[in-house]
Amino acid sequence: NAGVMQNPRHLVRRRGQEARLRCSPMKGHSHVYWYRQLPEEGLKFMVYLQKENIIDESGMPKERFSAEFPKEGPSILRIQQVVRGDSAAYFCASSPSRLAGGFYNEQFFGPGTRLTVL
Amino acid sequence: RKEVEQDPGPFNVPEGATVAFNCTYSNSASQSFFWYRQDCRKEPKLLMSVYSSGNEDGRFTAQLNRASQYISLLIRDSKLSDSATYLCVVNILPGRSGNTPLVFGKGTRLSVIA
Repeated sequence: NAGVMQNPRHLVRRRGQEARLRCSPMKGHSHVYWYRQLPEEGLKFMVYLQKENIIDESGMPKERFSAEFPKEGPSILRIQQVVRGDSAAYFCASSPSRLAGGFYNEQFFGPGTRLTVL
Repeated sequence: RKEVEQDPGPFNVPEGATVAFNCTYSNSASQSFFWYRQDCRKEPKLLMSVYSSGNEDGRFTAQLNRASQYISLLIRDSKLSDSATYLCVVNILPGRSGNTPLVFGKGTRLSVIA
């Protein structure tokens, strides 16, 4: 059973370009969460999605950032017109449905995408 | 006040030492509690969930005090491989969907020295 997969692992963009980060949850998991970790900081929640629905985007900046989790394919975190302050590690996590017997809302993390904005 | 606060660290301890990490959380609606471990430039990995009655997993013991909104992690007989950042993590009551995001502390760095 493959774990959470993220790609690319490293992404370099120049200011003003777009960054697309992809996340494939663990098999059988229908919930996806995106977190951002700035250098020397803790992980901060950005957005929580289920298939085709955004459940909670309270942690995501209102501008330039968007996320989706289509019926088919991976979840995408999209950052438009990147700025240097967007440089961070972006982690995706997945969990099973609580109704399916998920225990204590355990979330499994992918290896992250390290975004560097030049 | 930060939602989850941890000892600032770093903790530098010799092999075999016992080390304790403390954590406080501000939201009394927090329902689930965890310790995650994060190695340098890696993803967080679940170390253990924390139960109200306290729980132990080998050399690791976790305690929860809901009244004081306080969580602890004790590591006995430290190994070199325990060197990492330890993250205190909570989440609040589940919403309509049944799942909620995790709230992370900044972490406490541990270095175990030979």
